[in-house]
Amino acid sequence: AQSVSQHNHHVILSEAASLELGCNYSYGGTVNLFWYVQYPGQHLQLLLKYFSGDPLVKGIKGFEAEFIKSKFSFNLRKPSVQWSDTAEYFCAVNRGSARQLTFGSGTQLTVLP
Amino acid sequence: NAGVTQTPKFRVLKTGQSMTLLCAQDMNHEYMYWYRQDPGMGLRLIHYSVGEGTTAKGEVPDGYNVSRLKKQNFLLGLESAAPSQTSVYFCAITDSFNTGELFFGEGSRLTVL
Repeated sequence: AQSVSQHNHHVILSEAASLELGCNYSYGGTVNLFWYVQYPGQHLQLLLKYFSGDPLVKGIKGFEAEFIKSKFSFNLRKPSVQWSDTAEYFCAVNRGSARQLTFGSGTQLTVLP
Repeated sequence: NAGVTQTPKFRVLKTGQSMTLLCAQDMNHEYMYWYRQDPGMGLRLIHYSVGEGTTAKGEVPDGYNVSRLKKQNFLLGLESAAPSQTSVYFCAITDSFNTGELFFGEGSRLTVL
């Protein structure tokens, strides 16, 4: 079965610090990769996605992610976080032929002002 | 997200009671999904539908039933609620995994006593 692992359950940073959240998946075939964000009290929103091409993808609000196929990873990065980035972040994977997303367990990011 | 509406937003049930959650969309998307979100578990897929009149089991289907009699509505039913079903339930829709973006509803918080 396909699985998605987010090893950091809770990350606490100060404003302006750099961020990297890890995401690894288990499936070896063609995959589509996503990062979603859930701000407090809100629903999930798409942050960025990777289907093919340049493995470094840029999303909204200064976030980016790098797909490293050999490591089965899709880590999320941001050079300088803001207090407003406090949220829960979910990695998700879709196998190329599947019609459903599998989500990781999420990483709660707290940014201190 | 105005395109996906979930009702009710909150509900408290006693063990053994039944209820139905409604997901209504106005985006004419084919695919509809019901997820549950629990702390430390991320989002887990309960059931999904790839079109009117179709349903399929997800990762955690036990104790739930679904129906998609109309394209715009996806119902999630609990026939005999259990405390383990206390969760936040999210409906999501997409038109195609070629684009891959799920649009989520605001969530429905269910407590089973």
